[in-house]
Amino acid sequence: AIRITQSPSSLSASTGDRVTITCRASQGISSYLAWYQQKPGKAPKLLIYAASTLQSGVPSRFSGSGSGTDFTLTISCLQSEDFATYYCQQYYSYPWTFGQGTKVEIK
Amino acid sequence: QVTLRESGPALVKPTQTLTLTCTFSGFSLSTSGMCVSWIRQPPGKALEWLARIDWDDDKYYSTSLKTRLTISKDTSKNQVVLTMTNMDPVDTATYYCARTRGGWYAYWGQGTLVTVSS
Repeated sequence: AIRITQSPSSLSASTGDRVTITCRASQGISSYLAWYQQKPGKAPKLLIYAASTLQSGVPSRFSGSGSGTDFTLTISCLQSEDFATYYCQQYYSYPWTFGQGTKVEIK
Repeated sequence: QVTLRESGPALVKPTQTLTLTCTFSGFSLSTSGMCVSWIRQPPGKALEWLARIDWDDDKYYSTSLKTRLTISKDTSKNQVVLTMTNMDPVDTATYYCARTRGGWYAYWGQGTLVTVSS
């Protein structure tokens, strides 16, 4: 199975900060990567798919980049509603796998 | 409007078999390219992909759990069923069903918490 290493596992940031989260795949997955946001007690919400395509309705401050093994989720200007846990997911090969998550906390 | 809803027991005993049902609306699992998956999340931990069933009845399973999992569908009832045998306390988790067409999950159920305890 393809292993996804997500980093950092947590970070503290302030409203207005630029935040970057990274996922590294154990082998090349082309652009078959999605990003999700999850708030406590809620199902994950899709933010980005195909590594860089913004899901409809998601604010443009979220962006994704990368291909092959290294991927990045960037939040350009952190808002209060962005404090949550973020996951990446590869869908290049079975079994599909998720990263371990990055918790974005208020500094 | 696409909706999915998980249902099943909140509590199961160790060694028992868990059966979860995902009832969905707003799409048909007989449509080409349509797929439904099960994903779980232990309390305070990460998401874990479990299984997927496709419109053409192809099935895919987690490598580590494949001997314990069975996924099936009833297209006429708009339902997908997951069974997991030999439940253990480490299987305590919120279980989600979710829809995909291209590999990413745009639609999720609200999840159902299953606790494994004697």
